[in-house]
Amino acid sequence: AQSVTQPDIHITVSEGASLELRCNYSYGATPYLFWYVQSPGQGLQLLLKYFSGDTLVQGIKGFEAEFKRSQSSFNLRKPSVHWSDAAEYFCAVAPKTSYDKVIFGPGTSLSVIP
Amino acid sequence: DSGVTQTPKHLITATGQRVTLRCSPRSGDLSVYWYQQSLDQGLQFLIQYYNGEERAKGNILERFSAQQFPDLHSELNLSSLELGDSALYFCASSVSSYAGELFFGEGSRLTVL
Repeated sequence: AQSVTQPDIHITVSEGASLELRCNYSYGATPYLFWYVQSPGQGLQLLLKYFSGDTLVQGIKGFEAEFKRSQSSFNLRKPSVHWSDAAEYFCAVAPKTSYDKVIFGPGTSLSVIP
Repeated sequence: DSGVTQTPKHLITATGQRVTLRCSPRSGDLSVYWYQQSLDQGLQFLIQYYNGEERAKGNILERFSAQQFPDLHSELNLSSLELGDSALYFCASSVSSYAGELFFGEGSRLTVL
């Protein structure tokens, strides 16, 4: 079955520390991969996406993600977290032929300690 | 600001009632998607429209219906409301009917009492 797993429900990091949010997926073929962020009271905003090519993709707000086919993973990283990064982060996958089956992971809630 | 507008932002109603949520997509976007977000179910895809036609259905209840109008705005109708329908309903839009980036509105929070 198609699924997206985000093993960490909640993560707390100190401001300035590095961050890695994990995402694993189960899919028939390599899908399109996305990370979205949802700030409190806001809708989801795309951080970055992977379609093909270089497996390390850069996104907005200093985030990057690495696609590892062998591990079916698409982990999100940031070298130095800012207090404003506190939010909910969603990994998502979509088939390469249609967008009707976008699957979102359960989300990881990030808290940042000043 | 994503460019996607949803109204109302908050709605409180009683069980058995009917409500309509409205979504205006980004200028130029032809696809509209509806999602339901709740604590226990996460983010669930409900339905997609592309240029006025239904393109895909997800976990949408029969009590729920949607449409996309010629001006591309969309409405999600929820009827015979139950307590469990309380959730945040998001609309998203995109240029095409597949791939690419979804632009989300800020959501409509529905509370059923």
